[in-house]
Amino acid sequence: DQQVKQNSPSLSVQEGRISILNCDYTNSMFDYFLWYKKYPAEGPTFLISISSIKDKNEDGRFTVFLNKSAKHLSLHIVPSQPGDSAVYFCAAKETSYDKVIFGPGTSLSVIP
Amino acid sequence: DAGVIQSPRHEVTEMGQEVTLRCKPISGHNSLFWYRQTMMRGLELLIYFNNNVPIDDSGMPEDRFSAKMPNASFSTLKIQPSEPRDSAVYFCASSWGTTANTQYFGPGTRLTVL
Repeated sequence: DQQVKQNSPSLSVQEGRISILNCDYTNSMFDYFLWYKKYPAEGPTFLISISSIKDKNEDGRFTVFLNKSAKHLSLHIVPSQPGDSAVYFCAAKETSYDKVIFGPGTSLSVIP
Repeated sequence: DAGVIQSPRHEVTEMGQEVTLRCKPISGHNSLFWYRQTMMRGLELLIYFNNNVPIDDSGMPEDRFSAKMPNASFSTLKIQPSEPRDSAVYFCASSWGTTANTQYFGPGTRLTVL
């Protein structure tokens, strides 16, 4: 049973518009959430994270929102750029443990 | 820093053969993770080590898979015998500290079992 779900395998967005990637989790013990970005033939790289004590974290064009009651988080990219085209993995963990659970990923295509 | 180093980058082998994947974590990191990426299951954790000790191997699919970390700078993931369904990209990642939340990934090894 997948504890971290990304129900959209792919997403296509026009350059300059907002990209919204969604993620749901089932384990209520998760208290730290991360987004990783992966380009082809490379390993995933850390993008942004959020602790469960917050409901929003922003870093430049990237903002992550957390809704604990709904067990839902989303990544907003605005404005979207062609270089943002990649696979985005949502991940979750309990802070006191090393183990991170990744979702299946969403492939984002930003069209020039 | 060179980052996490994995070798080989590509491996093509025949069913039944032994395959060994190698990983060198970032110097100073004390946790090491092996992941497998497939189209069907996405990125799944196979096993992770803390201070060279295996902590959780519940993701290792079968007894055909084994992993070792003989020292802080080297780990191997072995598949013996390999099967076509083992074809995937295998990633190694490392991090520092039990509450470190950011893992640093290697470039991966693309394994094809014919």
